[in-house]
Amino acid sequence: EVQLVESGGGLGQPGGSLRLSCAASGFTFRNYVMSWVRQAPGKGLEWVSAITNSGGRTYYADSVKGRFTISRDNSKNTLFLEMNSLRAEDTAVYYCVKKGVGDAFDVWGQGTMVTVSS
Amino acid sequence: QSVLTQPPSVSGAPGQRVTISCTGSSSNIGAGYDVHWYQQLPGTAPKLLIYGNSNRPSGVPDRFSGSKSGTSASLAITGLQAEDEADYYCQSYDSSLSEDVFGTGTKVTVL
Repeated sequence: EVQLVESGGGLGQPGGSLRLSCAASGFTFRNYVMSWVRQAPGKGLEWVSAITNSGGRTYYADSVKGRFTISRDNSKNTLFLEMNSLRAEDTAVYYCVKKGVGDAFDVWGQGTMVTVSS
Repeated sequence: QSVLTQPPSVSGAPGQRVTISCTGSSSNIGAGYDVHWYQQLPGTAPKLLIYGNSNRPSGVPDRFSGSKSGTSASLAITGLQAEDEADYYCQSYDSSLSEDVFGTGTKVTVL
């Protein structure tokens, strides 16, 4: 079964850091572009970041550029998102997503909640 | 501020047909980038519903169909069922922003 399982969410302090992880299984992880998409409470979906299959190139939304870092470990089938200088507006459910068929986001994790508050 | 605009809500009686529009511009849908659609049931993660403008992944009922023309795309649901009550999002790529973009989202209510 193709599966993505996120972890690492929780309460973060403004200006603080959190590290999200996403464990992939059921597909050849190293062959696919992976992304993070977030959803603030009661709001729509927002693309956050993406990384190529080899990890050689990374992309970020302007809202997180310079603060978040995406990375992957293909030997462990794991995707990461290092979140620094956290802001209240980073509060959201963060989804780990696989890019696949037709370049669409074809597999989604269950999401992990990040709350930034003092 | 999303670059893809959807109506906030649409509704219909069971068995009816509803459509959801997704309006973009010359830097995304109008530039030829594909449109994908996602269904998000209450309290769950989004699920891919339509990819490449009009293709259904395995397991998605043929009551769902997608189309694209010019700078817009549409999702149609025929034979509306209670289980279709959910939020729906379109998604494409924007060359001006150099990033994937989502629509504003549409809540479908079954009357």
